[in-house]
Amino acid sequence: GAVVSQHPSRVICKSGTSVKIECRSLDFQATTMFWYRQFPKQSLMLMATSNEGSKATYEQGVEKDKFLINHASLTLSTLTVTSAHPEDSSFYICSAVAGANFYGYTFGSGTRLTVV
Amino acid sequence: KNQVEQSPQSLIILEGKNCTLQCNYTVSPFSNLRWYKQDTGRGPVSLTIMTFSENTKSNGRYTATLDADTKQSSLHITASQLSDSASYICVVSGYNFNKFYFGSGTKLNVKP
Repeated sequence: GAVVSQHPSRVICKSGTSVKIECRSLDFQATTMFWYRQFPKQSLMLMATSNEGSKATYEQGVEKDKFLINHASLTLSTLTVTSAHPEDSSFYICSAVAGANFYGYTFGSGTRLTVV
Repeated sequence: KNQVEQSPQSLIILEGKNCTLQCNYTVSPFSNLRWYKQDTGRGPVSLTIMTFSENTKSNGRYTATLDADTKQSSLHITASQLSDSASYICVVSGYNFNKFYFGSGTKLNVKP
């Protein structure tokens, strides 16, 4: 149980374009989803927390207009990197938690974004 | 300040040997501590989770211990295999379950 699917696993896009990453909880309803960014050889950095049906809460220093997060249903959250630049190239990971059940806290498999 | 510190930063061991990774935290109030294994280019996968009342939890060759009094946890890997080469991340949850604190990880390299 507690499976989180993330898609795509890899994406290459041109500078200036937008890229959407999907995060789905397959066998549970995720009231809260988290988006992380990870640079090579570094730990995960929390970007934002999204609760179903409400606006995401962004961490300090994360541009909300650049990283658009939508959590329209209990099983799907999306992260859209708008007007991507090469410095946005990174590994993006989502995670999901079901209500107060900490055991439902699971990571997706990650998305490698390369902006050329 | 709520922090999670892991040591060592990196570790190289020979296949078949045992090793122990450390995690010290200052998160308070404490709720849960979880060890994750992250292969390169993949998302973290949960190994163990412990609440304050648990002081040991095993998952195959992985055994985690927790001392909530000293705020220390360890992950012991027995009879290491090449596939154990990965980063191991300690994540501590505060009382607000939506707040998680990440260690910087230990990079383990198992050599034949």
